[in-house]
Amino acid sequence: AQSVTQLGSHVSVSEGALVLLRCNYSSSVPPYLFWYVQYPNQGLQLLLKYTSAATLVKGINGFEAEFKKSETSFHLTKPSAHMSDAAEYFCAVYTGGFKTIFGAGTRLFVKA
Amino acid sequence: GAVVSQHPSRVICKSGTSVKIECRSLDFQATTMFWYRQFPKQSLMLMATSNEGSKATYEQGVEKDKFLINHASLTLSTLTVTSAHPEDSSFYICSASRTGNTGELFFGEGSRLTVL
Repeated sequence: AQSVTQLGSHVSVSEGALVLLRCNYSSSVPPYLFWYVQYPNQGLQLLLKYTSAATLVKGINGFEAEFKKSETSFHLTKPSAHMSDAAEYFCAVYTGGFKTIFGAGTRLFVKA
Repeated sequence: GAVVSQHPSRVICKSGTSVKIECRSLDFQATTMFWYRQFPKQSLMLMATSNEGSKATYEQGVEKDKFLINHASLTLSTLTVTSAHPEDSSFYICSASRTGNTGELFFGEGSRLTVL
C-alpha cells in the first residue's frame, strides 16, 4: 500500500533561513510525487512535481525538491525563507488509479 | 491554464436545510473530480470520486444520502449536503484531474460551510 509521512507537523524558521520540509513515501510502483501549498481558507496549489524525469525538481516561489529513491524521500527545500512562505505544505504520492495519498501536512512558521 | 473555481466560498445555513457547492473547471475538461473534507489543522479527507456521467464512488464511512455528488458535465461537479447539521460544518474542497492524468490535481478555492 502507498503511504506518505511528513516528519514534523510544525516547522519554524527565521526569515532568510533555509526551509526544509521532510517527506517520505512508501510505494510498490514508481510513484509520481507532489508538493502542494495551502494558505488559510484556500484550496491547494501545486508547488512542484516529480514524474520520473529529473530527480531534482524546481517549483514556484523558489522551492525545489529532490527525489531520492534509495531513501524513499522527497524533501522540500528553499534556500531563504520569506514571510509569505508561511502556510501549510502537503506532500502527496500518486501511483495510478486516480488515487492520490496526502501526507498529514506541515505548517511552516516564518519568524521576522 | 487548469483553473478550478469553487462556489460559494462561504455559506451559512440553518440546521435541516440543504446546501449545494459547485466545482467548475474553467479552461479544461475534467475527466475526474474529487471532493474532500478538511477539519481544522488536518489533512484532506477524500469523500468521493466522480466521473462525468456516472455515479460517484464514495469512500468508506461517507454517507451517500447525506453528501450527494453530481457530475453532469466535463466541467461541472456539485456536492449537495442534504439536511445539514452542525456536525457537517467544515471546509470542503474539490479538485480535478485532466485527460492524460499524471496525478496532478487542480484544486478549487474551498467552501467553508457553517451550519447553525
